[in-house]
Amino acid sequence: EPEVTQTPSHQVTQMGQEVILRCVPISNHLYFYWYRQILGQKVEFLVSFYNNEISEKSEIFDDQFSVERPDGSNFTLKIRSTKLEDSAMYFCASSLVGGGAGETQYFGPGTRLLVL
Amino acid sequence: AQSVTQLDSHVSVSEGTPVLLRCNYSSSYSPSLFWYVQHPNKGLQLLLKYTSAATLVKGINGFEAEFKKSETSFHLTKPSAHMSDAAEYFCVVSVGGSQGNLIFGKGTKLSVKP
Repeated sequence: EPEVTQTPSHQVTQMGQEVILRCVPISNHLYFYWYRQILGQKVEFLVSFYNNEISEKSEIFDDQFSVERPDGSNFTLKIRSTKLEDSAMYFCASSLVGGGAGETQYFGPGTRLLVL
Repeated sequence: AQSVTQLDSHVSVSEGTPVLLRCNYSSSYSPSLFWYVQHPNKGLQLLLKYTSAATLVKGINGFEAEFKKSETSFHLTKPSAHMSDAAEYFCVVSVGGSQGNLIFGKGTKLSVKP
């Protein structure tokens, strides 16, 4: 069964450094998402992406964050200058269609980011 | 605004006994509701979803959930727990009118004792 994959599984970085989290969505999916979960807190929506542009973003997704689909398979989340509070589990998801409630999103296993 | 409350952070059951994981939602729209499960070191896997069809929804691995509008609830149940059901379970509501923004509950960790 096709699945969403994410690399790396764990990343440790120093505050102020740039990190890139990578995701390979399910191949025929068209909508891509990033979520994060700070330890002990809820999973929170960051951004959705369709047709090579951001569809929607949350307040969390500020200028420090960017997303890109650099080729036909990868979907990346870049944090330009990491802060301690960026430490979290980051989940990538994809869906076949989007734009409304009820569409199933398929999630990857997550990347655990630790900022020191 | 939409929100989800999972009433228990941790539930412990014995193998072979029923499972009940509770979820209440708040939504301005007619909601779409999901239950996802996360096993250790695995991604979030969809168990079942409600999208305004039948109010009793059957999912994978013997789980089911009932949408009760009057109680704004979407509790997850299973008649008989199995050791492999031990995991974290998330109740999720989809934000109507958005591009698919999901709102998660805080999660319920299910432990299954032999």
